[in-house]
Amino acid sequence: KAGVTQTPRYLIKTRGQQVTLSCSPISGHRSVSWYQQTPGQGLQFLFEYFSETQRNKGNFPGRFSGRQFSNSRSEMNVSTLELGDSALYLCASKPSVLNTGELFFGEGSRLTVL
Amino acid sequence: AQSVTQLGSHVSVSEGALVLLRCNYSSSVPPYLFWYVQYPNQGLQLLLKYTTGATLVKGINGFEAEFKKSETSFHLTKPSAHMSDAAEYFCAVSEESNYQLIWGAGTKLIIKP
Repeated sequence: KAGVTQTPRYLIKTRGQQVTLSCSPISGHRSVSWYQQTPGQGLQFLFEYFSETQRNKGNFPGRFSGRQFSNSRSEMNVSTLELGDSALYLCASKPSVLNTGELFFGEGSRLTVL
Repeated sequence: AQSVTQLGSHVSVSEGALVLLRCNYSSSVPPYLFWYVQYPNQGLQLLLKYTTGATLVKGINGFEAEFKKSETSFHLTKPSAHMSDAAEYFCAVSEESNYQLIWGAGTKLIIKP
């Protein structure tokens, strides 16, 4: 079974630009969560999607948005990039929002904002 | 609100020594408890989890953790450290009420030769 796939793995942007990151969950998993990981703040929950609907949201500004498609693939977008958005963005999937079990993580997309 | 505390942002042990990574949580109801590991330049993967039943949980790579309700702790141990154990370890807690994971800040495990 293929794991969680995130693209791109690395990217460099400049302040003010926007970025879109993609996540393909494990086949059959319908819940996709996004996290931001930085050395100073650790793992910060961004949002969770299930059946194309945002089910939970973390405490991030509106510049951070996401969506989920009917095949469960998800994208997140960050507009008007700031230096502080430099981070590793992790996607994780699980079968359902009602599942308290294991989260399966991708390898992440490392964003550098210059 | 639920919170998770991992004592020590960095823990250094010699190869072959005991590994002990501490995790305490705040919860008024029995939680679900997890330890994840993150190797350099990789995502997180599950080491072990406690949901119900036996309080001593065995995971991958020789790690185990014990759920102690009276101490609200879920410390991770391994009898003998290997160089390959160098990684960052995260403790997480969830409650059945909302299924969301609350994460600790992580502990970087350093193995000295």
